[in-house]
Amino acid sequence: GDSVTQTEGPVTLSEGTSLTVNCSYETKQYPTLFWYVQYPGEGPQLLFKVPKANEKGSNRGFEATYNKEATSFHLQKASVQESDSAVYYCALGIRSGGSNYKLTFGKGTLLTVTP
Amino acid sequence: EAAVTQSPRSKVAVTGGKVTLSCHQTNNHDYMYWYRQDTGHGLRLIHYSYVADSTEKGDIPDGYKASRPSQENFSLILELASLSQTAVYFCASSPGTGGSYEQYFGPGTRLTVL
Repeated sequence: GDSVTQTEGPVTLSEGTSLTVNCSYETKQYPTLFWYVQYPGEGPQLLFKVPKANEKGSNRGFEATYNKEATSFHLQKASVQESDSAVYYCALGIRSGGSNYKLTFGKGTLLTVTP
Repeated sequence: EAAVTQSPRSKVAVTGGKVTLSCHQTNNHDYMYWYRQDTGHGLRLIHYSYVADSTEKGDIPDGYKASRPSQENFSLILELASLSQTAVYFCASSPGTGGSYEQYFGPGTRLTVL
C-alpha cells in the first residue's frame, strides 16, 4: 500500500539555523505531494502542495522539490524562526477508483525553535 | 468566512457508552474526512465521504461509524467507546474537483474515554 516516512522528531533548532525534514514515499500511482503544518491547539493547515514531478513548491520561506526518481519530498528552510515551532506533516495524495481520493500522512515531525 | 467547525471541542466518555462527534463545513466542498491523531502515529483516516448519504471506510474504520446526512454535515459515531479510542479527532473537507484535493481541517475534538 501507499506509505510516507519522514524524519522522526523531535527536532530542536536555534533561531537562524537551517531546517531539513526528510520525507520519502512509496506508491505505485502518480501522487500529489503535500506539506502540512500544525500549530499547538489547532488543526493541520496546508503549507503547500506540488502536483507534478520535478517541480518545487514553496510558502513562507519553506520549500520542497518533488523528486520522483528518489521518491522524496524533503522540506527545507534556510533560516528558521521561533514562530516556526510546530508539527510538520508530509502527505501523499492518491486518487483511486473514480471518486476515491485520500491523503496518506507521515507520522509528523515536531520542530521546536529556541531563541 | 468558509470554515470547518467541530463539536464538542472536548469530551469525556465512559467505556461502553455511545459518543457522537459532529463536523460542519461552510466550504461547499464535496469531500469530508474523519481522522484520529495519536502521538507516534500521526493522522490516520477513519472514514470519508464524497457525497451526501454515502460514506466510505478509511484505513482504520473498526469501532467507528460515520454519517453524512447533508453536504455540510459529517458525524463520527462510536457505538461502544473503548479506552483505545482516546485520541484527538479531526474533521476535514476538500473540494475534490478540478484536481484540487487539498484538505481543510477543523480545530479538533479531544476525546477521553475512561
